[in-house]
Amino acid sequence: ELKVEQNPLFLSMQEGKNYTIYCNYSTTSDRLYWYRQDPGKSLESLFVLLSNGAVKQEGRLMASLDTKARLSTLHITAAVHDLSATYFCAVQRNNAGNMLTFGGGTRLMVKP
Amino acid sequence: NAGVTQTPKFRVLKTGQSMTLLCAQDMNHEYMYWYRQDPGMGLRLIHYSVGEGTTAKGEVPDGYNVSRLKKQNFLLGLESAAPSQTSVYFCASRYQGPPTDTQYFGPGTRLTVL
Repeated sequence: ELKVEQNPLFLSMQEGKNYTIYCNYSTTSDRLYWYRQDPGKSLESLFVLLSNGAVKQEGRLMASLDTKARLSTLHITAAVHDLSATYFCAVQRNNAGNMLTFGGGTRLMVKP
Repeated sequence: NAGVTQTPKFRVLKTGQSMTLLCAQDMNHEYMYWYRQDPGMGLRLIHYSVGEGTTAKGEVPDGYNVSRLKKQNFLLGLESAAPSQTSVYFCASRYQGPPTDTQYFGPGTRLTVL
């Protein structure tokens, strides 16, 4: 059974600081996704990581994937208040339907 | 291009009542999914479909049924609602193949079962 664990579950940080969210998963997978969810809203796709060593960056967010370690990271650089949201990683199962298994989410609060 | 839409946005049911949630997508995607999200948790897959006329069970299918009679629509049914089904329900669709190799989510339906 595929399990996806994120940590931390909750993160409060000051504007301008850097931090990393970790996503560990238990079985082999080729693809990992990062989503953002604002309170009461739907999920917005941030990154799709397709291979070992993949790194993608968008603004102050950078995601990476290490398939050998079964680990993905979402790094936040010089955080700003607008980044406050819940971030989910999701791992694609290598089977019919390409189902996603989600982590529990990391709730990020960036304080001025 | 509306993307993925869900009807209704909110609903309150009494225990034992039935209802159907409608998901529609206008992106000609083959794959469609129904998830539920409980407070403070990630999404869990209920059922999915890999094409018109096909459905399959996800992680938490009990108490739910689905149908995919048309490619653009995916219906989620609750035959006899229970309080444990109080949740936010999200529909998603996906094109099978690059470059848009991600799931696109609808706005969600907030369901309360009393």
